[in-house]
Amino acid sequence: DTEVTQTPKHLVMGMTNKKSLKCEQHMGHRAMYWYKQKAKKPPELMFVYSYEKLSINESVPSRFSPECPNSSLLNLHLHALQPEDSALYLCASSQTGIVNQPQHFGDGTRLSIL
Amino acid sequence: AQSVAQPEDQVNVAEGNPLTVKCTYSVSGNPYLFWYVQYPNRGLQFLLKYITGDNLVKGSYGFEAEFNKSQTSFHLKKPSALVSDSALYFCAVRDMGRDDKIIFGKGTRLHILP
Repeated sequence: DTEVTQTPKHLVMGMTNKKSLKCEQHMGHRAMYWYKQKAKKPPELMFVYSYEKLSINESVPSRFSPECPNSSLLNLHLHALQPEDSALYLCASSQTGIVNQPQHFGDGTRLSIL
Repeated sequence: AQSVAQPEDQVNVAEGNPLTVKCTYSVSGNPYLFWYVQYPNRGLQFLLKYITGDNLVKGSYGFEAEFNKSQTSFHLKKPSALVSDSALYFCAVRDMGRDDKIIFGKGTRLHILP
């Protein structure tokens, strides 16, 4: 069973819509991550939160807006996305964010932009 | 910049035979190396890591990897392949550039033939 839960599993939205992706973990982890994965490609890091503070933003366009309301939850707010933003969005968590710690991934939200 | 290379897009192995998935790295300093596996329609799962210590690292599901400093390699191995091992395998390395994070190789698709 996946210990990191992502909702929804699938999302189809138009370019003018606003939607949010949600991620939840109950392992007591204090670091959470958003990755973008295109088909048959490796995941690309977007954001990292460590102790509920944004610690890494990989120069992601402002149409993606992360939020970490508490240590268990991570949201990704989407607005005015482009067709090239269609991808699998993966959430992950690790104990404290130190790089040598394994990351635990959710099963992702498959996003399609019409 | 740190990087990993996975020279094979796909590896085919008969069930019961040993398998090897190759990874080479390029880093300045001591490498932190990881293997993750992604099954269809799932997120990534951590298999094993090398930070320091024994060159032979044992991980989940019977997998192991050998760190070879002279050849800058970190190949993933298993003595006897199962059909259920068929998946996408990613090698990853710590990148201590602008942000301290891991970056993934392009991935190798492993097919275990019954």
